[in-house]
Order: sequence, then structure tokens, then C-alpha cells
Amino acid sequence: DGGITQSPKYLFRKEGQNVTLSCEQNLNHDAMYWYRQDPGQGLRLIYYSQIVNDFQKGDIAEGYSVSREKKESFPLTVTSAQKNPTAFYLCASSIGTFNGGTDTQYFGPGTRLTVL
Amino acid sequence: AQSVTQLDSQVPVFEEAPVELRCNYSSSVSVYLFWYVQYPNQGLQLLLKYLSGSTLVESINGFEAEFNKSQTSFHLRKPSVHISDTAEYFCAVSWNDYKLSFGAGTTVTVRA
Repeated sequence: DGGITQSPKYLFRKEGQNVTLSCEQNLNHDAMYWYRQDPGQGLRLIYYSQIVNDFQKGDIAEGYSVSREKKESFPLTVTSAQKNPTAFYLCASSIGTFNGGTDTQYFGPGTRLTVL
Repeated sequence: AQSVTQLDSQVPVFEEAPVELRCNYSSSVSVYLFWYVQYPNQGLQLLLKYLSGSTLVESINGFEAEFNKSQTSFHLRKPSVHISDTAEYFCAVSWNDYKLSFGAGTTVTVRA
């Protein structure tokens, strides 16, 4: 089955710790994205990557970092600099055409991060 | 700044009644429009999208949306809802690049 997997489903972190959220896709998509979802605020873009070894900051990149060493993987690290990390994190991918605006984004099931 | 506004945060509706979810965006220059649906504790799934051509687009499960350039709107409608349509619905807009801007979402609760 083709799709996007995120792990873990639930993650608990103590204040001051860095944590890494996994995102893997087997859709052969070039573009990948990380979003943060908070109640009543919709989705906000953290980082996105149009191609391997390249990524760009989204609207709320502060306190987060990413890497894109392989086409199928786009892990997100939530650092201790992120002041309010408790949220639902969604990874997505799209085929990555020249005009990326027309692409459908396919979403993973999400990771719920709670800071204790 | 470009923005997407969903005018209703909660929409309660009875089964078999019609529903309309409103979405407005800030600029009509070269936009692509999407509606996504999210069931509890899951990721988002594409419901329908408008790229070009006919301003009325339909999904396989009875939803439709109409692109109105002059009013910068992309409202979602369904003439008769089912219990299984209970979910959160997000309007999203791309201004001709990779980034999608999402509205805050509308929670639809269908009651028997």
C-alpha cells in the first residue's frame, strides 16, 4: 500500500528535551511538508522540501529543524527552543510538479506531541 | 498578507438536511483552491479541488464547491448529509506556489 507513515502516534516530552518525529512516504513524491495543527487555528506550515537535500522555512519554523537526506524521509526535530510545542503534527507529500500550487497534498495520520 | 477565512467554526446539522461551509480568501490572482476533510485523530484527505475550467467542482461523495472569482469565495455544499459526514473541513488556497494556506476549519456535526 502506498502512503505516508508517521511515528510515533503519541509522544511525550519533558521540557528542555529535543524530540524527533518521523515521516516516511513510499509514493515516490518529490515534495514533503510539515504542519502544526492547534485547535481553532487550522494548519500552519513549519518547513517544506521540494527536493532531496533542500528545504525551506514555512510560516512558523522557529524552534524546529528538518533534514531531507532521502527522498522518502523528512524527519522533524522539535527543539527545546520551541516555546509551546504541544500540538498535533502532520506530515504531507505531493508529487512536486513544476507548478507546485496545483498538486494535491497527501497527509499522514499525525503525531500528537505533549510536553509534560 | 494572504489569508483564508472560514466563516463558521461549528455547523450543527440534522441528517438528510443540506449544509454549506463558507470559505473566502484574500486575493484572486492565480489561485488554486482545495477542500480537505479530517476525521477525528486522523490526517487530512482531499475532498475536491479547483484548478481551472468549470467553476463548479464535485466530489465522489456528493459534495460540491463553486469558485466565485469576484467574491473570492469557494463555498462547499452538500444537499443531504449523512451521519458519516461528521468531521472537520478545511479550505486551503495555493497562490501559485508549493505552499498551502489553510483556514481555521469548520466542524460539522450531523445529528439523527
